[in-house]
Amino acid sequence: DTAVSQTPKYLVTQMGNDKSIKCEQNLGHDTMYWYKQDSKKFLKIMFSYNNKELIINETVPNRFSPKSPDKAHLNLHINSLELGDSAVYFCASSQVGGADTQYFGPGTRLTVL
Amino acid sequence: AQTVTQSQPEMSVQEAETVTLSCTYDTSESDYYLFWYKQPPSRQMILVIRQEAYKQQNATENRFSVNFQKAAKSFSLKISDSQLGDAAMYFCAYRTDQETSGSRLTFGEGTQLTVNP
Repeated sequence: DTAVSQTPKYLVTQMGNDKSIKCEQNLGHDTMYWYKQDSKKFLKIMFSYNNKELIINETVPNRFSPKSPDKAHLNLHINSLELGDSAVYFCASSQVGGADTQYFGPGTRLTVL
Repeated sequence: AQTVTQSQPEMSVQEAETVTLSCTYDTSESDYYLFWYKQPPSRQMILVIRQEAYKQQNATENRFSVNFQKAAKSFSLKISDSQLGDAAMYFCAYRTDQETSGSRLTFGEGTQLTVNP
């Protein structure tokens, strides 16, 4: 069983388009995250949701909008895509408390042409 | 803000040998967690090992162990009996204990490990 899944795994699109990435976790975790990995492999937090409530919102352009319909899902919608948005986007989840280990999805490679 | 530094962009090791990856971090907090994640070419982020700052004992997971030096803010990963499957990018990560509703991971820049047969 896949613990944290993301769709699609690859996304190629034109500048200016709007796209969404979906994430689902079946671990029963309370908290979900979006991270961005740039071309130099550097990973940085974008958002965090706890029980559908936005907890962390880093300095991310407002073209990026996360949506959590329930605590098992956290989707990322991106408007007016730009070349600089090309990256790998990872979803992760964790259970609050203790080491709060985060488990990652397989990542979505977004390429903006 | 916390920072994590991995000073070795690339490392290589012979199969069956031992290698140590370095990580240092900067924080003013006393309670926190440290992690090593592995990212093979498949790009999946895989947890290798974690360490609670309040524990003096170094964490171990089979062939993987850490050397946690809290005063020096150092958290190195030792891989023993290296295997070809260990080849990957390794990320050191820090998590604060201050946020109670889920906390961000702050990552280092990564170390690309090559295992030579």
